[in-house]
Amino acid sequence: QKEVEQNSGPLSVPEGAIASLNCTYSDRVSQSFFWYRQYSGKSPELIMSIYSNGDKEDGRFTAQLNKASQYVSLLIRDSQPSDSATYLCAVVQGAQKLVFGQGTRLTINP
Amino acid sequence: KAGVTQTPRYLIKTRGQQVTLSCSPISGHRSVSWYQQTPGQGLQFLFEYFSETQRNKGNFPGRFSGRQFSNSRSEMNVSTLELGDSALYLCASSLNGGQNTEAFFGQGTRLTVV
Repeated sequence: QKEVEQNSGPLSVPEGAIASLNCTYSDRVSQSFFWYRQYSGKSPELIMSIYSNGDKEDGRFTAQLNKASQYVSLLIRDSQPSDSATYLCAVVQGAQKLVFGQGTRLTINP
Repeated sequence: KAGVTQTPRYLIKTRGQQVTLSCSPISGHRSVSWYQQTPGQGLQFLFEYFSETQRNKGNFPGRFSGRQFSNSRSEMNVSTLELGDSALYLCASSLNGGQNTEAFFGQGTRLTVV
């Protein structure tokens, strides 16, 4: 079992719809979770962090965390073509080390 | 506030050579981590430094090494380059590398080994 798994994608969503990205992790003691966005040819950009169970909203983005189910998700509301990118889920393992999922490629269709 | 700066942006090296990559973290950040990104393996952790000390190391051969200076700038070195070392090398800085601290990436160094 991979340490961090994301829905494989690619994911295609019409403009204005909600994009839902999912991630599960294997280390039950993990406490910190991050979502990064990576445009083709660019480096990862941090868009959300979440540490407590429940929802965290930032503009059009909502991160959801369920530690009992070892599940993290990212919702993007009112999807825009500029949201087309690869989204990486990252989990802090132990300390100082980020473990990444393979990423989900998201395409927003105008 | 300046972001994380990595130099050089691109490198082409031949097998057997060695290479040194540099990373300047965000001002005030004392933790620097290095990652390798390839299409097949994704993003993989190399090592992390804080106050000039390596605190954590990933599963990479000893050809991969690093160091951190007193100003928090970091370098990583790869010796005896192999074709499989071709990758995007990313540096991330954070305040202290603790559990709940956010890490920010530099633009990366694209290394091609021929």
